[in-house]
Amino acid sequence: EVQLVESGGGLIQPGGSLRLSCAASGFSVDDYAMHWVRQAPGKGLEWVSGISWNSGSIDYADSVKGRFTISRDNAKNSLYLQMNSLRAGDTALYYCAREDHFDAALDIWGHGTMVTVSS
Amino acid sequence: EIVMTQTPLSSPVTLGQPASISCRSSQSLLHSDGNTYLSWLQQRPGQPPRLLIYKMSNRFSGVPDRFSGSGAGTDFTLKISRVEAEDVGVYYCMQATQYPYTFGQGTKLEIK
Repeated sequence: EVQLVESGGGLIQPGGSLRLSCAASGFSVDDYAMHWVRQAPGKGLEWVSGISWNSGSIDYADSVKGRFTISRDNAKNSLYLQMNSLRAGDTALYYCAREDHFDAALDIWGHGTMVTVSS
Repeated sequence: EIVMTQTPLSSPVTLGQPASISCRSSQSLLHSDGNTYLSWLQQRPGQPPRLLIYKMSNRFSGVPDRFSGSGAGTDFTLKISRVEAEDVGVYYCMQATQYPYTFGQGTKLEIK
């Protein structure tokens, strides 16, 4: 079965760091572009970051640029999001999603991992 | 950054009746490769988003044919021909023509 499972969320104080993981099964992450999308409580979807299949193209939302780093480990078939200098506004459910190469659509989503930034 | 604007933000619909959601982009979504990378996603309560439509008008695998997408350039529409109870949720348009990818604000579909 093709699926994505996120982990690593939790309660963290402002200014702290967290590393989110996304484990893929049923497909190889190195064949696909992968993304992180977040959703603040009661709010809409916000694209956070994406990485191309060969890691040659990486981009970030302005709101996280310079603080978050996306990476992948093809051997572990996993995607990561290193989050530093966390702020209250980063509180959200973080989803990872797979992008279909030809259609540029996010076709597979995980169930998300919750990050709460609070003192 | 391309801004995506959806209307309406809330849509009460009677079961069995049609529904329509509009999405407008701040610039053309026509990519240099000739494709328009506009997709529609559904998020049921308590669930992750689910892909419905990709490249403006193509239904994703397993999506009922009562869902259809259309549009061109900067104006796009998602239509549900006959709303069913399982269609309740929030619908988002998303552009992937250029980074950063962006979503519309979401349209909440509810049953009258």
